[in-house]
Amino acid sequence: GQQVMQIPQYQHVQEGEDFTTYCNSSTTLSNIQWYKQRPGGHPVFLIQLVKSGEVKKQKRLTFQFGEAKKNSSLHITATQTTDVGTYFCAANYGGATNKLIFGTGTLLAVQP
Amino acid sequence: DGGITQSPKYLFRKEGQNVTLSCEQNLNHDAMYWYRQDPGQGLRLIYYSQIVNDFQKGDIAEGYSVSREKKESFPLTVTSAQKNPTAFYLCASTPGQTYEQYFGPGTRLTVT
Repeated sequence: GQQVMQIPQYQHVQEGEDFTTYCNSSTTLSNIQWYKQRPGGHPVFLIQLVKSGEVKKQKRLTFQFGEAKKNSSLHITATQTTDVGTYFCAANYGGATNKLIFGTGTLLAVQP
Repeated sequence: DGGITQSPKYLFRKEGQNVTLSCEQNLNHDAMYWYRQDPGQGLRLIYYSQIVNDFQKGDIAEGYSVSREKKESFPLTVTSAQKNPTAFYLCASTPGQTYEQYFGPGTRLTVT
């Protein structure tokens, strides 16, 4: 079946350092979404990317969608302790069902 | 307040018993989803429903059953046939016009 690879699985940074997580698909995506799950919480939608080469920013977060629509990245500039959690990409391959294939997630730990 | 509710938050059952997890939404969303999350892993789709009285199997439907008799409700039954039922179960819904998924707080099921 379709799979989405997400790396790294875990990243530990000092507060103020940058952080990036990457998602890769072997086949072209219709769109990709990003979610954040705080420890003990549920996933919360961050953003959706649809267009080839699209770049979107939310304050310190920058999201990119590859030109071939097979990969995506989330970059956080100058991490804060509030950024702690697991970041998931979720791939939509199109069709009528709106099914999402979630990556395995990247757990971000931020040391003050 | 609009949102998705799941109950209970924690659930304990003995092996061999069926258990039903509740999911209710008052967002007037057409589509609803059930996911399973195991420690350190992403979300895996169990069942989804795009409209009342209709539902489809996801990637890991074996040992689970659902119903969608009302738009607001999408209960999940974990049957005794599910070999490894202990997990965190998340319900989500989407308006259908967009692809963003809204998640409930989850139910943590422990079967011993």
